[in-house]
Amino acid sequence: DTGVSQDPRHKITKRGQNVTFRCDPISEHNRLYWYRQTLGQGPEFLTYFQNEAQLEKSRLLSDRFSAERPKGSFSTLEIQRTEQGDSAMYLCASSVGATISDEQYFGPGTRLTVT
Amino acid sequence: GENVEQHPSTLSVQEGDSAVIKCTYSDSASNYFPWYKQELGKRPQLIIDIRSNVGEKKDQRIAVTLNKTAKHFSLHITETQPEDSAVYFCAASNRSGYALNFGKGTSLLVTP
Repeated sequence: DTGVSQDPRHKITKRGQNVTFRCDPISEHNRLYWYRQTLGQGPEFLTYFQNEAQLEKSRLLSDRFSAERPKGSFSTLEIQRTEQGDSAMYLCASSVGATISDEQYFGPGTRLTVT
Repeated sequence: GENVEQHPSTLSVQEGDSAVIKCTYSDSASNYFPWYKQELGKRPQLIIDIRSNVGEKKDQRIAVTLNKTAKHFSLHITETQPEDSAVYFCAASNRSGYALNFGKGTSLLVTP
């Protein structure tokens, strides 16, 4: 499968614990995006990277959230001191990055459950 | 702020009929409008998109129209099939042009 991949697919954690998710974009895609999706809602933008630079962050990305893309390839999203409200599907997407608005392709997501 | 409204939230049609989903957006700077199909437990899949310099785009049974003046765009599916059943999301690019703002989705059910 040469699409966007995410790991793990499911994560159950206790409130207060830290969690980290990984996203591997489509090869040679320069842009990488993180979204959050809760039940019955559309994806909500969190942040995006152009190569290794994090260029935009949503107000939804509180100081407990941090994302990195150190070598411009895979990315990690870390949530510190998880809260029950963090329970959601975390989706990663990537795009070529040749134009300002280009087609974003989504990964299968990581479903986080905070107990 | 940027807001995308989507209607209806649920839509049930008989196989062979047409389905129309409508979205409105608030940010006049939005210039890219993709539509995604999401089946239960699966990733959102891009099915068609349109840019602000085009009023209509068609791909086989799927078409999208855009009215920039009124800030609304629509998805049209003709000759619907049971496999079209899914949740459909519209989206609009944000002011920076990179992030997407999504609607809340339309659950489409096509009955045989």
